[in-house]
Amino acid sequence: DSGVTQTPKHLITATGQRVTLRCSPRSGDLSVYWYQQSLDQGLQFLIQYYNGEERAKGNILERFSAQQFPDLHSELNLSSLELGDSALYFCASSGGTAIYEQYFGPGTRLTVT
Amino acid sequence: EDQVTQSPEALRLQEGESSSLNCSYTVSGLRGLFWYRQDPGKGPEFLFTLYSAGEEKEKERLKATLTKKESFLHITAPKPEDSATYLCAVQGVTQGGSEKLVFGKGTKLTVNP
Repeated sequence: DSGVTQTPKHLITATGQRVTLRCSPRSGDLSVYWYQQSLDQGLQFLIQYYNGEERAKGNILERFSAQQFPDLHSELNLSSLELGDSALYFCASSGGTAIYEQYFGPGTRLTVT
Repeated sequence: EDQVTQSPEALRLQEGESSSLNCSYTVSGLRGLFWYRQDPGKGPEFLFTLYSAGEEKEKERLKATLTKKESFLHITAPKPEDSATYLCAVQGVTQGGSEKLVFGKGTKLTVNP
């Protein structure tokens, strides 16, 4: 158990809908990262938050947004969903701004029908 | 742009048959190279961090090594429970100080009894 929790575990929704994925980092970790894993692309970095502030953006679509709250949990919002958004979404956390290992949560499997 | 290439894509071994997985990388400035293990449908599990060429780390039957262009994950006398996908990732020096990871597509290891 990495200490990172994610909910829900599975999500099935229709095209055009909006969903919210939730992540709670390990106790004491200030950074939260979101990654998307699909069969053909592998793990792709989406966005990083550090202590409530956006720190870096990767290949995140404009339809997707995220935030980190004062208690350090984070939410990833996916809207106007398309079939191609079906993937595993992972949250990771780390201890700060230096060279720290990222610990991953169990993921949310999103299926868009 | 940072890139990671892993080979082979898949590897089948007999129990006890030692082998190595390769991770080649290009990065503007290496902060760290990370190895993860991922079981189907689960989040990546942290194994090792390597920071500089010549560094080696060991954990049970696994040993990771690092050169300026590649890393190897050596598996000695593997057991069926070592079957998993092994992921390599790099963290490079970036403007803005993001700690994002760039992942390879992984090597799927199967160890037969």
